[in-house]
Amino acid sequence: AIQMTQSPSSLSASVGDRVTITCRASQGIRNDLGWYQQKPGKAPKLLIYAASSLQSGVPSRFSGSGSGTDFTLTISSLQPEDFATYYCLQDYNYPITFGQGTRLEIK
Amino acid sequence: QVTLRESGPALVKPTQTLTLTCTFSGFSLSTSGMCVSWIRQPPGKALEWLALIDWDDDKYYSTSLKTRLTISKDTSKNQVVLTMTNMDPVDTATYYCARMNCIAAAGIDYWGQGTLVTVSS
Repeated sequence: AIQMTQSPSSLSASVGDRVTITCRASQGIRNDLGWYQQKPGKAPKLLIYAASSLQSGVPSRFSGSGSGTDFTLTISSLQPEDFATYYCLQDYNYPITFGQGTRLEIK
Repeated sequence: QVTLRESGPALVKPTQTLTLTCTFSGFSLSTSGMCVSWIRQPPGKALEWLALIDWDDDKYYSTSLKTRLTISKDTSKNQVVLTMTNMDPVDTATYYCARMNCIAAAGIDYWGQGTLVTVSS
């Protein structure tokens, strides 16, 4: 199975900060990667698919990049509602695998 | 409007078999490309993908859990069923079903609200 390694596992930042989260695949996955945001007690929400495509309705401060094994999620200017846990997911092949998550906290 | 809803027991005993049903609307699992996955999340832990069934009735499973999982669909009822045998307290988690387009590679775009399953005697 492809392993997805996210870093950092947790991050403290302030409103207005620019934040980057990375995800590394144990083998090449083309651009078959998505980013998800999860708030406590809620289902995950798709932010980015195909590594860099913004899901409909998601604010443009979220962006994704990368291909092959290295990917990033960037939030250009943190808003209060962005404090959550973020996961990457590869659907290049089966079994589908998630990263271990990045908890984004208010500094 | 796409919706998914999980249903099943909130409490199961160790060694029992868990059966969860995902009832969905707004799409058909007979449409080319449509897939439904099951994903779980133990309290305070990360998401874990469990299984997927596609429009062509192909099935895929987590490597570590595949001996215990069975996924099936009833297209006429718009339902996907997941069974997990030999439940253990470590299987306590919120279980989600979710939709994805396996051809378009557009991510898991719709999720159910999740159902918490506790394994305890």
